Amino acid sequence: GAVVSQHPSWVICKSGTSVKIECRSLDFQATTMFWYRQFPKQSLMLMATSNEGSKATYEQGVEKDKFLINHASLTLSTLTVTSAHPEDSSFYICSAPTGDYGYTFGSGTRLTVV
Amino acid sequence: GNSVTQMEGPVTLSEEAFLTINCTYTATGYPSLFWYVQYPGEGLQLLLKATKADDKGSNKGFEATYRKETTSFHLEKGSVQVSDSAVYFCALSASGNTPLVFGKGTRLSVIA
Repeated sequence: GAVVSQHPSWVICKSGTSVKIECRSLDFQATTMFWYRQFPKQSLMLMATSNEGSKATYEQGVEKDKFLINHASLTLSTLTVTSAHPEDSSFYICSAPTGDYGYTFGSGTRLTVV
Repeated sequence: GNSVTQMEGPVTLSEEAFLTINCTYTATGYPSLFWYVQYPGEGLQLLLKATKADDKGSNKGFEATYRKETTSFHLEKGSVQVSDSAVYFCALSASGNTPLVFGKGTRLSVIA
């Protein structure tokens, strides 16, 4: 089946640094990638939608200059958290539609900013 | 806009008990409905789905029926196991290429 590989699984970084999260579609072409954020014991909140070759669409309240999304190819979408701060600590998950109303999810990245 | 409401947790059951997690939705048109499961520290796994009214999704003993008249998609399992302990999310999709809209999740703990 369609698989999205997400890396890293977890990362700890210092305040003020940037972190890049990658999601690769391994056996299909992902023209669209959804990026979600999940706080502890809460639901997934959509941050943005990326489409290959075009600018990402951000949800209201999400800072596009802080959460940089790039979807340069049909198999790779990246989320970069710039100038990270402790409040950015969260679980980030990517997801791609696979056709026939199916969706595949990455395994998630737990970001801790210290 | 589209939204999903599911019962608040946590839910604690004894092994072999019957499980129901209620889910209702608000949407225009005819959305597809999903149940996802998240085990501790992991991403989401599709449990089951239904794409049209009266469809029943089923997997691993879990079932849910798409009820358009009551805008519901309740999750049921006849006999839960300790290994079913996880967080369950109800979700909808307006179309195949739109993002999923999730409920808040229900944490299930099954004790032996």
